[in-house]
Amino acid sequence: DAKTTQPPSMDCAEGRAANLPCNHSTISGNEYVYWYRQIHSQGPQYIIHGLKNNETNEMASLIITEDRKSSTLILPHATLRDTAVYYCIVRLGNTGNQFYFGTGTSLTVIP
Amino acid sequence: GAGVSQSPRYKVAKRGQDVALRCDPISGHVSLFWYQQALGQGPEFLTYFQNEAQLDKSGLPSDRFFAERPEGSVSTLKIQRTQQEDSAVYLCASSLGRRKGNGELFFGEGSRLTVL
Repeated sequence: DAKTTQPPSMDCAEGRAANLPCNHSTISGNEYVYWYRQIHSQGPQYIIHGLKNNETNEMASLIITEDRKSSTLILPHATLRDTAVYYCIVRLGNTGNQFYFGTGTSLTVIP
Repeated sequence: GAGVSQSPRYKVAKRGQDVALRCDPISGHVSLFWYQQALGQGPEFLTYFQNEAQLDKSGLPSDRFFAERPEGSVSTLKIQRTQQEDSAVYLCASSLGRRKGNGELFFGEGSRLTVL
């Protein structure tokens, strides 16, 4: 599975959009991009995933560049409860048996 | 229960003791994963089961670590002769299985092991 690079930390004002970047320059054509987050003292929680097209669900939007070498997770209206570590992961869809989490981005939402 | 359940939530062991950590996956989930998370780090893969078969144990750090899932449901991670470097949160996750669903992993809240 490809490695990912994320900034170690970010701040965002409450109510504003949080844009979390991720580089995955070695991603292969059949690897998906997954995003998880981990709130303090809890297990990681699935947010969203995608292959080529941009995706949106009730939690977030995922923007994947055309060359698929990077992506951005967007939380449209950040709340204090969105303060967490966000992990960007690439894997072979639902056939791969491992998620490599890396160290993620620690997002702090500021009141 | 509705989610992945792990027990105990907290375990303090003296160096050299053996410990056993239990995971109850979501009912019907074929795949089960164990991860180790040290303080300030992301989760690191330990091992993976599909039903009762342990298909990948490449992440187990030493032969002191052993995992089993004898009936394809509940899993136990056993650590023998614990060392201080084993102190971590041990996370269990389950998923529907290969080529089913979207590959989402459902995590438990973890078992925090502290070795003194």
